[in-house]
Amino acid sequence: QSVLTQPPSVSAAPGQKVTISCSGSSSNIGNNYVSWYQQFPGTAPKVLIYENNKRPSGIPDRFSGSRSGTSATLGITGLQTGDEADYYCGTWDSSLSAWVFGGGTKVTAL
Amino acid sequence: EVQLLESGGGLVLSGGSLRLSCAASGFSFSTYAMNWVRQAPGKGLEWVASVSGTGVTTYYADSVKGRFTISRDNSKNTLYLQMNSLKTEDTALYYCVKGGYCSGGSCYWGASWLDPWGQGTLVTVSS
Repeated sequence: QSVLTQPPSVSAAPGQKVTISCSGSSSNIGNNYVSWYQQFPGTAPKVLIYENNKRPSGIPDRFSGSRSGTSATLGITGLQTGDEADYYCGTWDSSLSAWVFGGGTKVTAL
Repeated sequence: EVQLLESGGGLVLSGGSLRLSCAASGFSFSTYAMNWVRQAPGKGLEWVASVSGTGVTTYYADSVKGRFTISRDNSKNTLYLQMNSLKTEDTALYYCVKGGYCSGGSCYWGASWLDPWGQGTLVTVSS
């Protein structure tokens, strides 16, 4: 059971928008930065969003992040077939002194 | 360019030991926390352990506490994970991951992110 809660899967037609929720608590999301990671099959995860809503160089602005209270959200607009991957939220948990992740969300472009 | 290259994975019998290494380059190694994160086949990401820039502070997941030891050699820009008393449930791809900035003996644990990730090294524990 993951400390952070994500939906197992989300889907939408190409060109549409999807959002992925990540729910935590005051010891993790509520007081620490959230980051999001994208992982394609057979490859290592890559940071997509850091410090709740910042995009590393090279990440298109179709990807966005937000945090409110003890929850965070990843949004993908203009969904492309190339976005089909697993997405994980992650943050530091101050009570556990540990990195915690969500269980991962599989994004499918129908 | 920041690069992380893991090595040391392999097949080991339950109860055995392995030592993973991660050679880092392209950044000031001693000023960043480093982490090991693993992923069992077909499963999600599981954090394993973290170490501060100086190596003084370490944190472990409950699932490996007392069996695994994370350490670093800043003179060699290398991160290690000594894994003892291995169990079949430790079978996974182990990633070396650069963490947050450290200064004056303290790290910004809650104000950091995990980037980049190495390509991973596979550990298989057989019964």
